[in-house]
Amino acid sequence: GQQLNQSPQSMFIQEGEDVSMNCTSSSIFNTWLWYKQDPGEGPVLLIALYKAGELTSNGRLTAQFGITRKDSFLNISASIPSDVGIYFCAGPPFRGDDKIIFGKGTRLHILP
Amino acid sequence: DTGVSQDPRHKITKRGQNVTFRCDPISEHNRLYWYRQTLGQGPEFLTYFQNEAQLEKSRLLSDRFSAERPKGSFSTLEIQRTEQGDSAMYLCASSPRDIATDTQYFGPGTRLTVL
Repeated sequence: GQQLNQSPQSMFIQEGEDVSMNCTSSSIFNTWLWYKQDPGEGPVLLIALYKAGELTSNGRLTAQFGITRKDSFLNISASIPSDVGIYFCAGPPFRGDDKIIFGKGTRLHILP
Repeated sequence: DTGVSQDPRHKITKRGQNVTFRCDPISEHNRLYWYRQTLGQGPEFLTYFQNEAQLEKSRLLSDRFSAERPKGSFSTLEIQRTEQGDSAMYLCASSPRDIATDTQYFGPGTRLTVL
């Protein structure tokens, strides 16, 4: 089945640094979703992308839908302590599919 | 709008026991989804409902699992004869329209531990 591969698996950064993470698939996706999950909570949608090449921002977060439709990127600028958590890429495996498949996540740690 | 709620938040049970979880979606959301998340993994789709109709079930949903949404509002997920491999976070999500992959709102989850 389709899988989403996220890298890196984890990141340790200093507060104030910028962060970049990505997500790749062996097959084409028509929608890319980025979620954040805090410990003990459900995922919260950060950004949704619908067109190849699309670049969308949400505050300090910017995500891009890759031109090949097989990848997506998430950047966080000027990280703050509340950015700590797990970031998942996700999307419907087929056009019009009602379910979402998720990557394994990138765990972000911010060093004091 | 109080968001998706799930009850209980935590459940510890012994192997072989039955457990039931409840999900209350956001009011008037006609779609309701169940996902399972194990440690170090992203959520995995289990099943979903449109109103009271269960429209799709994953192969992950063995015969020991059953989900209902009798009146198209809240939903229950029951696991019979629990096994240690069932230990996971069970997440519920709801959405307000038919094809709504970008508007699935997740609840806080029920963490199940099977001893």
